[in-house]
Parts: sequence; structure tokens; C-alpha cells
Amino acid sequence: DTGVSQDPRHKITKRGQNVTFRCDPISEHNRLYWYRQTLGQGPEFLTYFQNEAQLEKSRLLSDRFSAERPKGSFSTLEIQRTEQGDSAMYLCASSKPGSLLEPQHFGDGTRLSIL
Amino acid sequence: KQEVTQIPAALSVPEGENLVLNCSFTDSAIYNLQWFRQDPGKGLTSLLLIQSSQREQTSGRLNASLDKSSGRSTLYIAASQPGDSATYLCAVRRGNQGGKLIFGQGTELSVKP
Repeated sequence: DTGVSQDPRHKITKRGQNVTFRCDPISEHNRLYWYRQTLGQGPEFLTYFQNEAQLEKSRLLSDRFSAERPKGSFSTLEIQRTEQGDSAMYLCASSKPGSLLEPQHFGDGTRLSIL
Repeated sequence: KQEVTQIPAALSVPEGENLVLNCSFTDSAIYNLQWFRQDPGKGLTSLLLIQSSQREQTSGRLNASLDKSSGRSTLYIAASQPGDSATYLCAVRRGNQGGKLIFGQGTELSVKP
């Protein structure tokens, strides 16, 4: 396994701009999760996919946020019209249904800073 | 609504000490509980995962226990080392049909040489 890969690692942008992050899960992991983590807090769930289907969305995911997983492999998370409060670490995780206890494996995250 | 709490928020110990990190959750209807380590600016590394029917799991110097009925888990670290310095997070999962992890806020551990 090459691990969960996220790109970019860091993103600095001005308020009001759109940003897009990418997550490549571990091969054969057909469940993919997005979380957001602010400084000093634990990660908070945003959304999750099974294959290409988005099965659950948090109320944290406002209409400025959209996530896709078009072919059931990599996923993208887009934030439109960024705000100061969007500054956070965005973490992606993947898991394989049927594996023992199905642990979630996390990437190193994308750190977003809004100027 | 499930809530996860970790106490203490920060802990500083001298090298060699044994220590216990605490995690409590409000809804005992969980599928499993996972302990993670997070180094500054990095993602999460899974340490131990306990199924709801299990009482404990061990890996090297780490031992995690689970008391589902009382809504508590502990992570025991034996003979702590400076390299153990990190933030430790616990997370619970509700069901076995996929689904989110609910995290505590973490315990920041510092092990002094």
C-alpha cells in the first residue's frame, strides 16, 4: 500500500477565491472520507463516499463546499468563495469494507490558509 | 448525539514514566474505538483499534482498554520516550456500514529527556 495521498500539502489563498483539493485513497479502498481539523481540536467529519456515491454529508458542509468522486477512485473537495473560517487542515481517509474492523487510514492532509 | 471527551488536554512527563490517557464517550452504541497519534502538521497514524466486543488491545508498549458500558477507554503507554511526544486522539465509530468517526479533542503529550 502506498498510503492515502493528498495534494497540495499547503494552500494559501485570498478570501473569496475558490480552492480545490485532491485525495487519492489506498488502492481497493472503496470508502473515502473527508474531515476538517482546526487548531487544537480533533477532526470533524465532513462527508463520505462508497465508490462514487456520496452517502453522508455533515451540516458543516455548507453550499460553498462540494465533494466528488467521479469514478470511485480519487476524490476532490472544492470550496467556493473562501472565508477566513475555512482556514483548517483538510484530512482524507479511506477504508476497505470487509477488512478486519475496517480501520480508516489517513493522509497527511492539506493545510488551507485564508489571507 | 455522540460526544467524545479526552482528559487531560495536555500532559508533560519525564522520560521512562508509565502514563495513561483517558477517553470517554456518551453513547455506548459503538462499533469500534480507534486511537491515533498525530505529529505536528501531519496526518493521523492509527495505533490501536478495539472492536466493541473486545476489552483491550496491545501493540508493543501500548495497551488500549475499552469499557463500553461505562463509555470509557484508556491508552496506557509504558516506559515513555521523547519520541512518544505527539497528540493522541481517540475516535468512535457508530456502525459497521461505513460511516464517520467522532473524535475527541486530543491529549498533547510531551515526554522530557
